[in-house]
Amino acid sequence: GQQLNQSPQSMFIQEGEDVSMNCTSSSIFNTWLWYKQEPGEGPVLLIALYKAGELTSNGRLTAQFGITRKDSFLNISASIPSDVGIYFCAGQGGSEKLVFGKGTKLTVNP
Amino acid sequence: DTAVSQTPKYLVTQMGNDKSIKCEQNLGHDTMYWYKQDSKKFLKIMFSYNNKELIINETVPNRFSPKSPDKAHLNLHINSLELGDSAVYFCASSHRQFEAFFGQGTRLTVV
Repeated sequence: GQQLNQSPQSMFIQEGEDVSMNCTSSSIFNTWLWYKQEPGEGPVLLIALYKAGELTSNGRLTAQFGITRKDSFLNISASIPSDVGIYFCAGQGGSEKLVFGKGTKLTVNP
Repeated sequence: DTAVSQTPKYLVTQMGNDKSIKCEQNLGHDTMYWYKQDSKKFLKIMFSYNNKELIINETVPNRFSPKSPDKAHLNLHINSLELGDSAVYFCASSHRQFEAFFGQGTRLTVV
C-alpha cells in the first residue's frame, strides 16, 4: 500500500530558529495535508494542499506540494515555545483514504 | 461548541470485556472516520462512513464494529478486548475531501 516517509523523526531547536520537515512517497499523491498534535489532543489541521507546486502559508507556517506530486515540505519560521508538538504529513493518492507519516517531534528550547 | 466530541476520554478495562466509544460531530460533515494511534504515535485509519454508509474498512479484526445511527454519529464497539487493543482511538469527520477534523481521542488501556 501507499507509504509516507517523514523526516526528521525529531528536532531539538532554539527559540527563534526556522524549522523544515518533509514527506516523501513512492507514489503520486493528489492531496497533501499537514497536522499538528499536542499531548493529550487530537491532530489539528494546519495546511491543506491540492495542486502540484502549490505554496500555502498559515501565519509562520508555509507548506509546499512538490512538483513531482511525491513530496511535500513544511517550514516554520521564527519558532516559539508553543510550536512544540508532533507534526504529521498526510496524503491521499488513488484510494479513498488518508495515509499518515510517522510524525516529526519538535522540541523548542526557550 | 465542540466540533468532534468523543466519549469517554479514558477507558481502562479488563481483557475479554466489551466496550464502546461514542463520537458525535456538529460540523454537518458527511464523512466520519475512526483512526487508531499506537504507542509510537502512528495513525492508521480503521473505518470510514459517508452518509451512514461504510466506505472504508481496513484490515481490522472483526471484534471491532462501527455503527453509524445517523450522519452526525459514529460509534465504535469492541468485543473481547485484548491487550494489543490498547491505543488511542480518534474519531474524525470531514466535508471538503480528506480535510479531517479530529476529536480529542479515547485512550484505551486493556489490563
